[in-house]
Amino acid sequence: DAGVTQSPTHLIKTRGQQVTLRCSPKSGHDTVSWYQQALGQGPQFIFQYYEEEERQRGNFPDRFSGHQFPNYSSELNVNALLLGDSALYLCASSGVKTSGQETQYFGPGTRLLVL
Amino acid sequence: AQSVTQLDSQVPVFEEAPVELRCNYSSSVSVYLFWYVQYPNQGLQLLLKYLSGSTLVESINGFEAEFNKSQTSFHLRKPSVHISDTAEYFCAVTLGSNYKLTFGKGTLLTVNP
Repeated sequence: DAGVTQSPTHLIKTRGQQVTLRCSPKSGHDTVSWYQQALGQGPQFIFQYYEEEERQRGNFPDRFSGHQFPNYSSELNVNALLLGDSALYLCASSGVKTSGQETQYFGPGTRLLVL
Repeated sequence: AQSVTQLDSQVPVFEEAPVELRCNYSSSVSVYLFWYVQYPNQGLQLLLKYLSGSTLVESINGFEAEFNKSQTSFHLRKPSVHISDTAEYFCAVTLGSNYKLTFGKGTLLTVNP
């Protein structure tokens, strides 16, 4: 049973560029959440997707957007990259049919470096 | 809004010594509590969770945590640590299904020989 997968593992971009990160949830999960983890900090909630719609959003600007596909996979898009967007981006999935939606399982993350 | 405080940013211990990583939370309603572990250059792995029932929860690798509602705490303990336990540990809370996780800033546990 595959866990949560994310791609790419690493990415280097320059300021002003746009980036797309991808996530495939754990089998049987239908909800995907995205978190940003800056160096030396705990993860911060960006947003959550369920049934292809954004269900909750954290305190992040509109430059951060997302999408969920019918197969429950998800993308995180960041426009007009800033140096401060450099971080580890974590995807987490959950699903009421398996573990209950209160338990989120994380992928390995995508490390983004903005130069 | 919920918040999580991990009182120690770093905890160095010797191998086979006991350890306690402290976590306090703030919430006006009932919450679910989690401990996640992050090894270097990796994502977060679920260590253990408290949803309901017994206030003492255990993981498969010897860690345990006790939910204390009156003290709003969920401290993580292990009676004898190994070198391989060296990692960053994050305490997190959520209101329940369909809600975000709120994390503490993490505690770096370093186990020395």
